[in-house]
Amino acid sequence: AQTVTQSQPEMSVQEAETVTLSCTYDTSESNYYLFWYKQPPSRQMILVIRQEAYKQQNATENRFSVNFQKAAKSFSLKISDSQLGDTAMYFCAFMKHQGADGLTFGKGTHLIIQP
Amino acid sequence: GAGVSQSPSNKVTEKGKDVELRCDPISGHTALYWYRQSLGQGLEFLIYFQGNSAPDKSGLPSDRFSAERTGGSVSTLTIQRTQQEDSAVYLCASSLGWVSGANVLTFGAGSRLTVL
Repeated sequence: AQTVTQSQPEMSVQEAETVTLSCTYDTSESNYYLFWYKQPPSRQMILVIRQEAYKQQNATENRFSVNFQKAAKSFSLKISDSQLGDTAMYFCAFMKHQGADGLTFGKGTHLIIQP
Repeated sequence: GAGVSQSPSNKVTEKGKDVELRCDPISGHTALYWYRQSLGQGLEFLIYFQGNSAPDKSGLPSDRFSAERTGGSVSTLTIQRTQQEDSAVYLCASSLGWVSGANVLTFGAGSRLTVL
């Protein structure tokens, strides 16, 4: 079974700052995918970024980027130039390739962007 | 539809009553997932459908929980004889499955269930 650990229950930064959210995971799988989802107060989970484990290059989506360290089983999310709209719960998630049970989620980090 | 639609958005019920939660996935999405999100347990996988069949129902918390999917589209999660510990947000997600790379799930806004 896989486990995903997010060690920061809550973080708070000022608008325009850069923030990094941590995530580690444990798996015996060699082929898998990692995701960051954002959940604002509306409850809808929104995909932020994804990373294929077989790709060495870190994924980037506009202000969002990841630092994927496969050997260390670490998958952190960096948010640059943070905005008030980034305030949300952020979940790190794991999915094994061809897995039938979807995503395994961490407990989440509540990110607050202060004006 | 354009997104995953769930109903009701909020449901308050009395202990012991049955409830049905509905999920309407994105058109053409063959895979459908149910998750439960509660304060103490985080996000918990419940069940997965590929088409109309659910290969593994072991994620359902008890035999009071059942789910079905008809016509490869709409899914219903039924909770019988609700208990207070069933209070949670029930999230549904759908996807195209394992085609052309990662299986990317799109989520609905969830159904918040409160059992009094």
